[in-house]
Amino acid sequence: ETGVTQSPTHLIKTRGQQVTLRCSSQSGHNTVSWYQQALGQGPQFIFQYYREEENGRGNFPPRFSGLQFPNYSSELNVNALELDDSALYLCASSGEYTSTDTQYFGPGTRLTVL
Amino acid sequence: EDQVTQSPEALRLQEGESSSLNCSYTVSGLRGLFWYRQDPGKGPEFLFTLYSAGEEKEKERLKATLTKKESFLHITAPKPEDSATYLCAVRPTSGTYKYIFGTGTRLKVLA
Repeated sequence: ETGVTQSPTHLIKTRGQQVTLRCSSQSGHNTVSWYQQALGQGPQFIFQYYREEENGRGNFPPRFSGLQFPNYSSELNVNALELDDSALYLCASSGEYTSTDTQYFGPGTRLTVL
Repeated sequence: EDQVTQSPEALRLQEGESSSLNCSYTVSGLRGLFWYRQDPGKGPEFLFTLYSAGEEKEKERLKATLTKKESFLHITAPKPEDSATYLCAVRPTSGTYKYIFGTGTRLKVLA
C-alpha cells in the first residue's frame, strides 16, 4: 500500500507568478484535502475534493483553486502569488468524507515566494 | 466558533521524564479528535483518532485520552527520538468536512 505523495518537494517562485502543486492519494482513498501551514502554525484548511468535485472550502481567496482527477490524484493551483503564500502545502487523503475516516498526510511541498 | 487550543507551546523534558500535552477544543459537535506528530519540514504523521469521551488509545510510550472538552497526550519515559511537534485536530459534526488544527506543542527530549 503506497502512502500519499506530493511533488515537487520544494519550489521557489516570484510574486505574481502562478504555481501548480500535485498530490497522489493513498491507495483506496477517494477524498483529498489541501492545507496551508505557515511556519510555527497549525495547518489551515484550503479545500477538499471528493469524486472530482469541490466538497468544502476554507477562508482562502478564489486564486486558490484545485482539481481532482478520476484516479483521485489532485492539483492545487495558486495564481498571482503573494509573499504571504510562502508556506508548507500539505495534501491529505481519506476514505468517504461522510465517515470519520482519518486523513493521512503527504510530506508536503515547501513554497517560497520572493 | 470552532476552536482548538494546545498547551504548552513548547516543552523540554529530560529523557525518562514523563509529562502530558493538552488539547482543549470548542466545537458544536465532535465527529473525531486526531493527534499527529510532525517533524521539521515534514508532513504530519498520524498517531491516534478518538471519537467519544472516556476513550483512550495507546501506542508505545504515548497514550491519548478524551473528555468532553479536552484531550491529553501522555508521554511516558520519553526518549530523544520523541522530539517533534505534536498537533491536535478536531473534525466538527456541522459545516464542512475540514479538520481544525491547534498550533501544536513543540517537544524537545534531552538525553
